[in-house]
Amino acid sequence: LAKTTQPISMDSYEGQEVNITCSHNNIATNDYITWYQQFPSQGPRFIIQGYKTKVTNEVASLFIPADRKSSTLSLPRVSLSDTAVYYCLVGPQGGYQKVTFGTGTKLQVIP
Amino acid sequence: ETGVTQSPTHLIKTRGQQVTLRCSSQSGHNTVSWYQQALGQGPQFIFQYYREEENGRGNFPPRFSGLQFPNYSSELNVNALELDDSALYLCASSLGNEQYFGPGTRLTVT
Repeated sequence: LAKTTQPISMDSYEGQEVNITCSHNNIATNDYITWYQQFPSQGPRFIIQGYKTKVTNEVASLFIPADRKSSTLSLPRVSLSDTAVYYCLVGPQGGYQKVTFGTGTKLQVIP
Repeated sequence: ETGVTQSPTHLIKTRGQQVTLRCSSQSGHNTVSWYQQALGQGPQFIFQYYREEENGRGNFPPRFSGLQFPNYSSELNVNALELDDSALYLCASSLGNEQYFGPGTRLTVT
């Protein structure tokens, strides 16, 4: 399984765009990239998933370069309620659920 | 709210005891996965069940076992509890690609 590397923590002011990058140099051809958000004492929440190029939904965008060795989660105009830990997972569709999460990126949004 | 529920919310056990944690999947989801999350760490995959059969297991000893029932609800059993088993235990159900987590059970082993 591909190992992922993310920054341990990030700070951002309210209203700014936040970009969290995840490195996954050993990503396999059939692997997808999935991002989760977790608040304290809650289960993780699925944010977005992609395979290549760009994916956008109502809460985030995911940018994946052509070599797929990294990916960037983009959160537009963050608010205090976006303070959470963000995890990047890499694994095959239908199989990524068997992946152990890394330590994630703790995002602190500052007023 | 994801529709995945877990019970109990909190539990305190003594080292050496056995514990059973329960998970009710989101309606129609036939796959359930269990994770252990220690304080300050990301969730670690324990095992997954698909239509009542174990469908993958992480690096956990055999004293961690599970069941999935015909209604797709699930149990996680841990025997001979150790202090290091203290953690948040999460279950997640899925149908197809998206996975939905429950709120977890906080287990404390003393």
